[in-house]
Amino acid sequence: LAKTTQPISMDSYEGQEVNITCSHNNIATNDYITWYQQFPSQGPRFIIQGYKTKVTNEVASLFIPADRKSSTLSLPRVSLSDTAVYYCLVGDTVDSSYKLIFGSGTRLLVRP
Amino acid sequence: IAGITQAPTSQILAAGRRMTLRCTQDMRHNAMYWYRQDLGLGLRLIHYSNTAGTTGKGEVPDGYSVSRANTDDFPLTLASAVPSQTSVYFCASSTGTGDGYTFGSGTRLTVV
Repeated sequence: LAKTTQPISMDSYEGQEVNITCSHNNIATNDYITWYQQFPSQGPRFIIQGYKTKVTNEVASLFIPADRKSSTLSLPRVSLSDTAVYYCLVGDTVDSSYKLIFGSGTRLLVRP
Repeated sequence: IAGITQAPTSQILAAGRRMTLRCTQDMRHNAMYWYRQDLGLGLRLIHYSNTAGTTGKGEVPDGYSVSRANTDDFPLTLASAVPSQTSVYFCASSTGTGDGYTFGSGTRLTVV
């Protein structure tokens, strides 16, 4: 499974756009890129998943360049409630032994 | 409400005792997983099951065992607990094709 590298922490202010970039240089052809959000004392929550180009849902956007060696999670106009740890993961969705391996994540702090 | 139920919510356990953490899902997901999360760190995969009747080892399987007798239940057993197994344990499930995991609320285990 491909390893991912992302910043340990980021600070932002309410109303700003936050972009968290993740590197996955060894991503395989069948791997998808998935982002999760985790609040203290809770299990991680699925945010968004993509394979290439751009994916957008009601919560975030995911930008994936053509070489797929990195991806950027974009959170528009963050609020205090977006303070959480964000995990970037890659995995082969067609692999019968598919399983997500978590890294250390990015700790996002949103300030008033 | 569909989802994952973990029990107990928290437990203090004497070292050397046997303990089973329970996990039940009602989404008919094929795959289930157990992770542990130590303070300030990311999640580490302990064991997984791609479908009922099969199990596999994750990143940190030593000291733990699992069984998957049916689709809904995936108990995690600590045969003889040690203090290093103090952690928060999360159970998760997915359809097995990578389109997002659903996590339980976690079991906070303290081994003394």
